[in-house]
Amino acid sequence: AQSVTQPDIHITVSEGASLELRCNYSYGATPYLFWYVQSPGQGLQLLLKYFSGDTLVQGIKGFEAEFKRSQSSFNLRKPSVHWSDAAEYFCAVGGVRTSYDKVIFGPGTSLSVIP
Amino acid sequence: DVKVTQSSRYLVKRTGEKVFLECVQDMDHENMFWYRQDPGLGLRLIYFSYDVKMKEKGDIPEGYSVSREKKERFSLILESASTNQTSMYLCASQVERALNQPQHFGDGTRLSIL
Repeated sequence: AQSVTQPDIHITVSEGASLELRCNYSYGATPYLFWYVQSPGQGLQLLLKYFSGDTLVQGIKGFEAEFKRSQSSFNLRKPSVHWSDAAEYFCAVGGVRTSYDKVIFGPGTSLSVIP
Repeated sequence: DVKVTQSSRYLVKRTGEKVFLECVQDMDHENMFWYRQDPGLGLRLIYFSYDVKMKEKGDIPEGYSVSREKKERFSLILESASTNQTSMYLCASQVERALNQPQHFGDGTRLSIL
């Protein structure tokens, strides 16, 4: 069955440090991949998306993600974290054809930033 | 920018009450969705709609119903609220039924059933 895993439930980094959030998916065809961020008390905001082409995708707020088909991964990175990046991050895979065009969300990774 | 507005940020209701959660989008999107979000479980799809007066069940429709009388508005209804429906509810819209189109989310309604 199709699934999305985010191995890290919670990550703490120092402000200014680099960040990598992991995402692995299980899906037979080429997936449509998304990263969303949810700030406290807010809805989900799209950070970036990948459908095809260059496997390194740039997003908003200085984030990027790299699609690696051989590893079924779509990890999110940021070279220097700001305190305002503290939030919940969700990886999602679309293009999953069932009875409808399903989007599967991972369980999320909570990011804390130490000043 | 797409604006998805959920009528309440916080809501407290009692067991057995009929509860309405309202969602409005301002971008003429065809698709609308209702999710619930629980710690450790991520987002789970309750219902979705691809057109006015059209609805389809998602993964966890039990105990819920929906209404879409106008394109911009999608309502989630808890016919008889129960404590296990205490959760964060997120509404989303999408421009069309296309795999590469992202969903746009409202700020959520945190619902407590006492």
